[in-house]
Amino acid sequence: EVQLVESGGGLVKPGESLRLSCAASGFSFTIYSMNWVRQAPGKGLEWISFISKSGYVNYADSVKGRFTISRDTATNSLYLQMNSLRVEDTALYYCARGRGGDNSNWFDPWGQGTLVIVSS
Amino acid sequence: DIVMTQSPDSLAVSLGERATINCKSSQSVLYSNNRNYLAWYQQKPGQPPKLLFYWASTRESGVPDRFSGSGSGTDFTLTISSVQAEDVALYYCQQYYGLPWTFGQGTRVEIK
Repeated sequence: EVQLVESGGGLVKPGESLRLSCAASGFSFTIYSMNWVRQAPGKGLEWISFISKSGYVNYADSVKGRFTISRDTATNSLYLQMNSLRVEDTALYYCARGRGGDNSNWFDPWGQGTLVIVSS
Repeated sequence: DIVMTQSPDSLAVSLGERATINCKSSQSVLYSNNRNYLAWYQQKPGQPPKLLFYWASTRESGVPDRFSGSGSGTDFTLTISSVQAEDVALYYCQQYYGLPWTFGQGTRVEIK
């Protein structure tokens, strides 16, 4: 069974850092691109970051320069290092496998998400 | 950025009736390979989104055939031919034509 399990969320103050993890299982992690998508409370979906199977990365403008995506193929893990967190980064963060190729991703499946709350 | 706009924001449908959700992109998502770079997702309360369609009309395995996706270019439709109680959810369209990949604001389907 394909499974994605996020962890690492929590309550932090503005300006602090947090590192999210996503453990992947049930599929060949090395041949898929991976993504982070977030959903603010009661709001819609926002794609924030992508990493290709070869390590190419891309970010939404809202997180560029503050967030860093990475992957570890030895442990089938995806990461999101989040620095300089802002109140508006408060959201449920989903890890999602990318399908469709390196230049065009739809997302399937999604993990259950990990909640990040940024508040003073 | 490609802006995705869904309509309506919400709709209430009687059981067994048809539900139609529209999604409009600010620019065409039809690529030169004649494929529309558009996906649809269903998100039930407390759950992550679930893929319904990609390439605008290719149904994901396991999705009931009462769901259909159509459209091309800038205008797309998700149709539920006979709404069931388990279809109560938020529905999102997403373009993957160009980065940043963007979603519509969502359409809530409820039972009347």
